[in-house]
Amino acid sequence: DADVTQTPRNRITKTGKRIMLECSQTKGHDRMYWYRQDPGLGLRLIYYSFDVKDINKGEISDGYSVSRQAQAKFSLSLESAIPNQTALYFCATGDGTTNEKLFFGSGTQLSVL
Amino acid sequence: SQKIEQNSEALNIQEGKTATLTCNYTNYSPAYLQWYRQDPGRGPVFLLLIRENEKEKRKERLKVTFDTTLKQSLFHITASQPADSATYLCALPPPGRRALTFGSGTRLQVQP
Repeated sequence: DADVTQTPRNRITKTGKRIMLECSQTKGHDRMYWYRQDPGLGLRLIYYSFDVKDINKGEISDGYSVSRQAQAKFSLSLESAIPNQTALYFCATGDGTTNEKLFFGSGTQLSVL
Repeated sequence: SQKIEQNSEALNIQEGKTATLTCNYTNYSPAYLQWYRQDPGRGPVFLLLIRENEKEKRKERLKVTFDTTLKQSLFHITASQPADSATYLCALPPPGRRALTFGSGTRLQVQP
């Protein structure tokens, strides 16, 4: 089984709908992240959490919210989806070391029509 | 503002040659730099880390250099193979932030 699991893998939705992307991990890491990837723009940070009670906005948090339900679970919500939120979304965990490296899930491809 | 630049054009090379990818950054001095590999439809996978006081790091056929004066890292794959075809991303910890910032990546295509 994958260490970082994202569900669903693909999702098509309509403008205005509420969408939740889920992430769970078995690595035992406290740190979890949500990034989105768009062609030519690379990975951009949406939200990150260093423990269950620590949630922080990233560079593009507008239109998104998150919930850290447990050490192992970090979900991303789009309250009212819009077409420019069409992207590939990645969840990652961090090992918390000084030169922290990240471990990514396989991603969720979201299309907002 | 801080910026990370990687060549957006794909790099095409012949099998057996050395591939060299570039990562340039501006406006700050990171304590370290990381390289990741990303295959289509998959998440990035960590490859190598190099610290600011290290000039060069090697791992099997991979070599990374870090020039803090030029604000540049070079990523080399020697004796390249078609299986090395992927997108390679560099990542740095920006000042005042607690999460890595990634470049947009360079796609490498190794022709048999």
